[in-house]
Amino acid sequence: GAVVSQHPSWVICKSGTSVKIECRSLDFQATTMFWYRQFPKQSLMLMATSNEGSKATYEQGVEKDKFLINHASLTLSTLTVTSAHPEDSSFYICSARPGGLPLAKNIQYFGAGTRLSVL
Amino acid sequence: QKEVEQNSGPLSVPEGAIASLNCTYSDRGSQSFFWYRQYSGKSPELIMSIYSNGDKEDGRFTAQLNKASQYVSLLIRDSQPSDSATYLCAVDPGNTGKLIFGQGTTLQVKP
Repeated sequence: GAVVSQHPSWVICKSGTSVKIECRSLDFQATTMFWYRQFPKQSLMLMATSNEGSKATYEQGVEKDKFLINHASLTLSTLTVTSAHPEDSSFYICSARPGGLPLAKNIQYFGAGTRLSVL
Repeated sequence: QKEVEQNSGPLSVPEGAIASLNCTYSDRGSQSFFWYRQYSGKSPELIMSIYSNGDKEDGRFTAQLNKASQYVSLLIRDSQPSDSATYLCAVDPGNTGKLIFGQGTTLQVKP
């Protein structure tokens, strides 16, 4: 149980194009999903919190117009990197928190990650 | 001061030994603590969660939490080469629902 699927696993795109990444919870409902970014040799940095049916909450320094997040259902959140540039190249990872758990039991399950390379 | 601190390592132990990984955190209101394992090029995998002071054991893994001293540790008994990875400590500060990650400790288990 607790499987989170993330696609694509690897994407290469040209500078200026947009890339969409999908995150799905396969065997549980996730009212909240999270998007992280990880640069080489560094830890995970939270970009935004995605809540089903409402606007995402972005961390300080993360451009909401560049990183569009949509959480259309209890099992799907998408991250769109708009007008991608080489500095956006990174490892993007989503996580999902099962619904029904108290906030104090903040277990998150991670997708496999998406490696984005912008040429 | 970083919110969650770990020694980046690498921590090198021989196969069969006990590996001890430590983590300190700054927010006294934190209630949820997690250890994740991350292999190179892969996403984090949840190993342990702990919410109360004391020890929690799961197989070869034991998580220890001391809220008064604001540290959480992970012990890996009978370390195997397959345990070689980066271990991330994660804390939910102030019961916000978000996780703050430490920089991770790289563990090397040598055959």
